[in-house]
Amino acid sequence: QVQLQESGPGLVKPSETLSLTCTVSGGSISSYYWSWIRQPPGKGLEWIGYIYYSGSTNYNPSLKSRVTIAVDTPKNQFSLKLSSVTAADTAVYYCAGGPTVALIFAWGQGTLVTVSS
Amino acid sequence: EIVMTQSPATLSVSPGERATLSCRASQSISNNLAWHQQRPGQAPRLLIFGASTRATGIPARFSGSGSGTEFTLTISSLQSEDFAVYYCQQYNSWPPVTFGQGTKVEIK
Repeated sequence: QVQLQESGPGLVKPSETLSLTCTVSGGSISSYYWSWIRQPPGKGLEWIGYIYYSGSTNYNPSLKSRVTIAVDTPKNQFSLKLSSVTAADTAVYYCAGGPTVALIFAWGQGTLVTVSS
Repeated sequence: EIVMTQSPATLSVSPGERATLSCRASQSISNNLAWHQQRPGQAPRLLIFGASTRATGIPARFSGSGSGTEFTLTISSLQSEDFAVYYCQQYNSWPPVTFGQGTKVEIK
């Protein structure tokens, strides 16, 4: 059973770049499509984008200009970079994966990232 | 962008009773709909995909139905661990993948 674990700084300053990594265990990174999803405190879920092990990506148009998702196949990891962050980017960030694009079978536990000076 | 609308926002149900949650898509998504459960302080987990297929390990009291634009999640007899927020999610047309705003099932 695939398990996912997010890691990265919990505090980012405004205008800087948020960087998170998701480590996949219990399965190969080539087996699924991998997504990042976020949830502002007390609010709903917002899909950020996905990547396949081949490097193919697709992003939410609302965030596309600031998002980069990359994969590191040898390490069984994928990552998220979100540039020029503001307080509106404060959220729990989840990594997730599934057998087709956008179908999510597994979720990470989530990591809270706060944007504040 | 496909907009997913869930109703009601909050559902008050007594343990052992039946709960029925609705999800509507702004355009047809065939049966490309999933339901996720999020317990307080936890990550979401997949309950249903393909509108009606239970994910591995999901109890039979959870069932999904619908196609096109109208979908329903039914919990036949609510257990204490079922009080949570439920999100529908379409994966038919993207980007972006979209979620409903959630239905909170609370104890009556």
